[in-house]
Amino acid sequence: DGGITQSPKYLFRKEGQNVTLSCEQNLNHDAMYWYRQDPGQGLRLIYYSQIVNDFQKGDIAEGYSVSREKKESFPLTVTSAQKNPTAFYLCASSIPGQGWPTEAFFGQGTRLTVV
Amino acid sequence: GESVGLHLPTLSVQEGDNSIINCAYSNSASDYFIWYKQESGKGPQFIIDIRSNMDKRQGQRVTVLLNKTVKHLSLQIAATQPGDSAVYFCAEGTGRRALTFGSGTRLQVQP
Repeated sequence: DGGITQSPKYLFRKEGQNVTLSCEQNLNHDAMYWYRQDPGQGLRLIYYSQIVNDFQKGDIAEGYSVSREKKESFPLTVTSAQKNPTAFYLCASSIPGQGWPTEAFFGQGTRLTVV
Repeated sequence: GESVGLHLPTLSVQEGDNSIINCAYSNSASDYFIWYKQESGKGPQFIIDIRSNMDKRQGQRVTVLLNKTVKHLSLQIAATQPGDSAVYFCAEGTGRRALTFGSGTRLQVQP
């Protein structure tokens, strides 16, 4: 079945450590996105990539890094520079907009907790 | 910056009633809008979308209305069921930019 797979589902990190969240899609979508969601809040854009080997910062990119070496993969690294990393992280993919609404398909999320 | 927001953080309805979830937006250049449903601990799921040159679009048990004059969007759910209980987000899209999401409304369906 086609879809987006995020792993792990739960992740614990010690303060000062970097961690990498995985996002893989087999939908053949060009565009991929990372969002952060805090309790009772909406989704805030961290980074997005419209094509392989290219990505742009979103609204809250500080303390995060990404890479897009393959079309199907868009890993997110939460660095020690991110002061408040505990959150629910969502990865999404879509076909880049061509005018008509472009639905973003989401993974099931990774819940990151700093201990 | 531009924002997409919601009027009511929580909406409680009786099973079988119709639900209306509202969303205000500020970006008059938005090309389209999408409603998502998010159940606890899961990623958002697409419900319905509407392009900015439309006023209304209907799906199965859902209708989205767009009023560009007052920059208002609504999602109507007919005959609300317990399985409709979730958080609903509106999102705004412009060209090739990533979607911008509102803060969400929690829908609680009372049996």
